[in-house]
Order: sequence, then C-alpha cells, then structure tokens
Amino acid sequence: AQSVTQPDIHITVSEGASLELRCNYSYGATPYLFWYVQSPGQGLQLLLKYFSGDTLVQGIKGFEAEFKRSQSSFNLRKPSVHWSDAAEYFCAVAPRGAGSYQLTFGKGTKLSVIP
Amino acid sequence: KAGVTQTPRYLIKTRGQQVTLSCSPISGHRSVSWYQQTPGQGLQFLFEYFSETQRNKGNFPGRFSGRQFSNSRSEMNVSTLELGDSALYLCASSSSGGTGELFFGEGSRLTVL
Repeated sequence: AQSVTQPDIHITVSEGASLELRCNYSYGATPYLFWYVQSPGQGLQLLLKYFSGDTLVQGIKGFEAEFKRSQSSFNLRKPSVHWSDAAEYFCAVAPRGAGSYQLTFGKGTKLSVIP
Repeated sequence: KAGVTQTPRYLIKTRGQQVTLSCSPISGHRSVSWYQQTPGQGLQFLFEYFSETQRNKGNFPGRFSGRQFSNSRSEMNVSTLELGDSALYLCASSSSGGTGELFFGEGSRLTVL
C-alpha cells in the first residue's frame, strides 16, 4: 500500500534561517507529489506540486521542493523563514492518471518560528 | 472566484445522533472529495464524487456516506455518531483535469460528546 512518511513531527527554526522539511513516499510508480500548508483553524493550501519534468519545483511563498526518484523523496525547502511560515506542513501523493483525486497524506510537520 | 465553502464550521453532537455536513465547491469544479482529520490518524480520505457519482471510497464504515447534487454541491452524513468521529472534516474540490490538485475548504469541526 502507498504511504507517505514525514519523519519530523515538530521543527523549530529561527526567523531568517533556512528550512528543509523531509518527505519520503512508498509507491508502485512515481505518483503526483504535493506539499500543503495548514494554519491553525484553517483548511489546507497548496504550496507546490510535481507532476513531471524539472525535478526542482517552485511554489508560493518562496518555497521550493526537489523530487529525487532514487530516494523516493520530495523535500520542501525555503532559504529564509518568516514568522508567518509557522504552520503545519503536509506532504501528499496521488496516483497518476485521470481522476486522481484520492490523496494520501503524511502525518505532517509542525513548524515553529522563533523571532 | 469564491473558494470552497463548508457549513457548518462548528457543531457539537452526542453519541448516537447523526450529522450532515455541506460543501459548496469552487464554481466549475465537478469533483468533490472529503477527508477526515484527527490528531491520531491525520488526514484520511473518505470519498470522492464526480458528476453525482461516487468514484472512490476510503476505508471507513458504512455509517459514513455522502452524495453530490447536480450543481456539484456535496453533503456527507455520519449516522450513529461515536466519540471517535470527533474530527475536522475537510471538503476539497477539483477541476476535471484529474491531476490531484485539490482546493480545500476551512472544514467543519465536529465534536461528539
């Protein structure tokens, strides 16, 4: 069965520091890959997605992620964290093909930012 | 363009009761998915509807059901509520492209006492 692992439950960084959130997946074939962010009391917002092509994808709010097929990973990065980035981040996968609306999510990584 | 709208945002029920949650997707989106979010289990897929037909269903008991109307609005129902059904229920809509890009509402937070 497919699975998504986010090994870090909680990460704390200082404002201005760089950030990397890890995501590994287990899947039969390379799925569609996503990162979502959830602020307290809110729904999920899509940060970025990987379907094919360039393995480094750019997203909103200055985030980027790199797909590494050999490591089955899709890590999220940001060069300089802002206090407003404090939230919970979810990695997700979906099977390729038409009608791929069933996402499998990781357990999430909660990001705290120290001013 | 209005986002995904879920109602009610908060509700409290007692064990044994039933609840109906509503979701209005983004205009033009024909797919609506439902997810349950709990601290212990995280985000879990409930079901997905497209053009009034359920296309996929997650691993949940039959007490959880849903439907979609001709205007793409969707409802989900949970009957005979249990304490463990307390969760944030998230609705997401998507265009018919089938690439898995979902747009989520803010959720309906259900508390079962």
